Parts: sequence; structure tokens; C-alpha cells
Amino acid sequence: ETGVTQTPRHLVMGMTNKKSLKCEQHLGHNAMYWYKQSAKKPLELMFVYSLEERVENNSVPSRFSPECPNSSHLFLHLHTLQPEDSALYLCASSQGTGVTDTQYFGPGTRLTVL
Amino acid sequence: GQNIDQPTEMTATEGAIVQINCTYQTSGFNGLFWYQQHAGEAPTFLSYNVLDGLEEKGRFSSFLSRSKGYSYLLLKELQMKDSASYLCAVMDSNYQLIWGAGTKLIIKP
Repeated sequence: ETGVTQTPRHLVMGMTNKKSLKCEQHLGHNAMYWYKQSAKKPLELMFVYSLEERVENNSVPSRFSPECPNSSHLFLHLHTLQPEDSALYLCASSQGTGVTDTQYFGPGTRLTVL
Repeated sequence: GQNIDQPTEMTATEGAIVQINCTYQTSGFNGLFWYQQHAGEAPTFLSYNVLDGLEEKGRFSSFLSRSKGYSYLLLKELQMKDSASYLCAVMDSNYQLIWGAGTKLIIKP
């Protein structure tokens, strides 16, 4: 049990749909992350928020739009996705963004784009 | 570019010992992490090495050689529940984690 929850756990959507992924952390952390995990590929960092401000955006297509309303919640809004966006989307949190700030992950949302 | 290499898959026998290697080439180094990820579950933190040498935590140990850009995770007295993917990640000079693709470990009775 990691203290980071994600909903939904599974999502199937068409390319014209709009959906949102939700992440909530109960650890009192100040930093939150979105990662994409594709089969047999390294985790790809998408976005980093520290104290509710975006500090990293790794050239992610605009069809992915993050939102961090407070330090406990993180959303990933999805629209007009492509089939290659099908993957496991992981949320993580850490106390800060420093060297010794271990990241704690949620169970992920398995996204399938038809 | 930055690169983390680890074997795609390994098989070992229950009760045995297995070593999972990780080599890295990154812009700067601020530590190396190992995570365990069971199928369909969240990655969970196992270890962090920033200085050369061996760190032991129960049945799991992690070794680092910064001069060689090399680490390994050693699992002793393997149990069936150790079947999982093991992810190696290096924190670079920008304090970003660079991840390997993971090693899927299969334990056989």
C-alpha cells in the first residue's frame, strides 16, 4: 500500500473522446509526477509538479493536459488521443524533487485508445 | 544521449540467488535506484545507492561502481513472490530519473 491512488484503473476510449485520469496522494508530499509506461520500454516522465507549479514538461503532445489543483491531487486530461498513446499511466509523489526524495507510485491507469 | 541497460528477462529457481545487472551512461549522477514492480501493480522502492559499494537489506542487496557506470541487484533465497520486474533508474545532474526498461524475473519451483 503506497498511499497513492489512481482512478480509473482501466480506461478504453475512442480517438475523439475526452477523458481525465485522477491521482491522489495521502502522504503529505509536495511533488507529483505523471509517467507513461509502454511494454518493454523505460518509464517516460511526462510532467512534474512541485508545490502545485509545473516544473517539468518533457515535450509531451498537447493532447495531454495536466492539472494540479492542490498538492494532493493531480489530473491528466486527455483529448483526441492516438492508438500509440495506449499504455499504463503512472502517477507518483515525493516529498520534494531532491536527490534523496524517493518517489512513491500509484497502481496506474491502463489506457487503451481505439 | 542518456542510456540505462538491463537484461530484458531472467529466470531463476526458488531458493537460489540471482543477480540483475544495470549499466548506465548519463549526464551527471546523483544516485541509482532499484524498484520492484509486480504485474499490474505500482513500482515500489527497493534501494538507493549514491556511493560505491554494497548496500544490504535483508534478502536484497544493491551494489554500485560509479567509475564503471554499473550496478547490480542481488536477490538471495528466492521466493515465488519475487517474480516481478525490476527497474533500474539513475538520477542525472538535473535531478531527473532516467529509467531502464526493466528486467522481468521469472522464478520457477
